Amino acid sequence: DAGVTQSPTHLIKTRGQQVTLRCSPKSGHDTVSWYQQALGQGPQFIFQYYEEEERQRGNFPDRFSGHQFPNYSSELNVNALLLGDSALYLCASSREHYEQYFGPGTRLTVT
Amino acid sequence: AQSVTQLGSHVSVSEGALVLLRCNYSSSVPPYLFWYVQYPNQGLQLLLKYTTGATLVKGINGFEAEFKKSETSFHLTKPSAHMSDAAEYFCAVSDYGGSQGNLIFGKGTKLSVKP
Repeated sequence: DAGVTQSPTHLIKTRGQQVTLRCSPKSGHDTVSWYQQALGQGPQFIFQYYEEEERQRGNFPDRFSGHQFPNYSSELNVNALLLGDSALYLCASSREHYEQYFGPGTRLTVT
Repeated sequence: AQSVTQLGSHVSVSEGALVLLRCNYSSSVPPYLFWYVQYPNQGLQLLLKYTTGATLVKGINGFEAEFKKSETSFHLTKPSAHMSDAAEYFCAVSDYGGSQGNLIFGKGTKLSVKP
């Protein structure tokens, strides 16, 4: 049984560009959450998707947007990249009322 | 608002010694509490969780944690450290069960294990 997968593993972008990160949840999971982990910090919640809709959102600007597909996979989009967006982006999946399982993350570097 | 404080950004122990990683939380509702471990260049792995019921929770790899409501603490312990325990550990709190609410993490504690 494959766990949570994320792509790409690493990404380098330039300030002002746009980026799309992808996540496939663990089999049987219908909820996907995204977190940003800056260097030396704990993960910070960005948003959560359930039934193709954003259910909760953390304190992140509108430059951060997402989508969930009918197969429960998800994308995180970040527009107008800033240097401060450089971080490890973690995807977590879960079933209702159960704990979240994390993927390996995508390391985004903005230059 | 919920928050988590992890005391000590870096803890160093000798192999075979007791591991104690401290976590204090603030929550306006009965908390759901979690400990995650992160190995270098990897995602987070759930070690253990407290939702309701027994306050002493046992997890994987010999770790356990005790929920103390009066002290608002959820400290992580392991009787005997192993070299493979070297990693970063995160305490987290959720308003609800982990799938409904978002997780609020502490800043993490890096555990080093000396031979």
